[in-house]
Amino acid sequence: AQSVTQPDIHITVSEGASLELRCNYSYGATPYLFWYVQSPGQGLQLLLKYFSGDTLVQGIKGFEAEFKRSQSSFNLRKPSVHWSDAAEYFCAVGFPLTGGGNKLTFGTGTQLKVEL
Amino acid sequence: KAGVTQTPRYLIKTRGQQVTLSCSPISGHRSVSWYQQTPGQGLQFLFEYFSETQRNKGNFPGRFSGRQFSNSRSEMNVSTLELGDSALYLCASSLVPQGGTEAFFGQGTRLTVV
Repeated sequence: AQSVTQPDIHITVSEGASLELRCNYSYGATPYLFWYVQSPGQGLQLLLKYFSGDTLVQGIKGFEAEFKRSQSSFNLRKPSVHWSDAAEYFCAVGFPLTGGGNKLTFGTGTQLKVEL
Repeated sequence: KAGVTQTPRYLIKTRGQQVTLSCSPISGHRSVSWYQQTPGQGLQFLFEYFSETQRNKGNFPGRFSGRQFSNSRSEMNVSTLELGDSALYLCASSLVPQGGTEAFFGQGTRLTVV
């Protein structure tokens, strides 16, 4: 069965420090890959996506992610974190469904805390 | 361009009651998916609609149902509410369901069952 793993439940970084959030997936083919961010009480905002092509993708708010097929990973990075980045981050993988279409399978999320 | 709109934002219901949640997708988007988010189970896929047809359903009991209208707006219904149905229900819209199209989420409806 397909699965998504975010091994870090909580991460704390200092403002201005670099950030890397890990994501690994299990799937027999190359899936569609996404990172979403969720602030308390809010919905999910798409940060970036990978469908094909260049394995380093740029997103909004200065985030980037790199797809590594050999490691089945899609880690999210930011060179300098801002206090406003504190939120929960979800890695998601799009898998095709037998009825057509696809669904998103989410990781359990990583809660990011930013220390001033 | 307006985003995904979910109404109501908050609901409090009593066990045994039923509830209907509404989702208006982004204009031009024809696919609507629903997800349940709880602290214990995380984000779980409920179902997906495209062109008024339910194309896929997640592993939820029959008490959870939905429909999509000709204008792509969607509703989901939960009957005979249980305490465990308390969750944030998120709706996502996509241009089309096939392939790697990105999904845009609404702010969700927070359902509390007492």
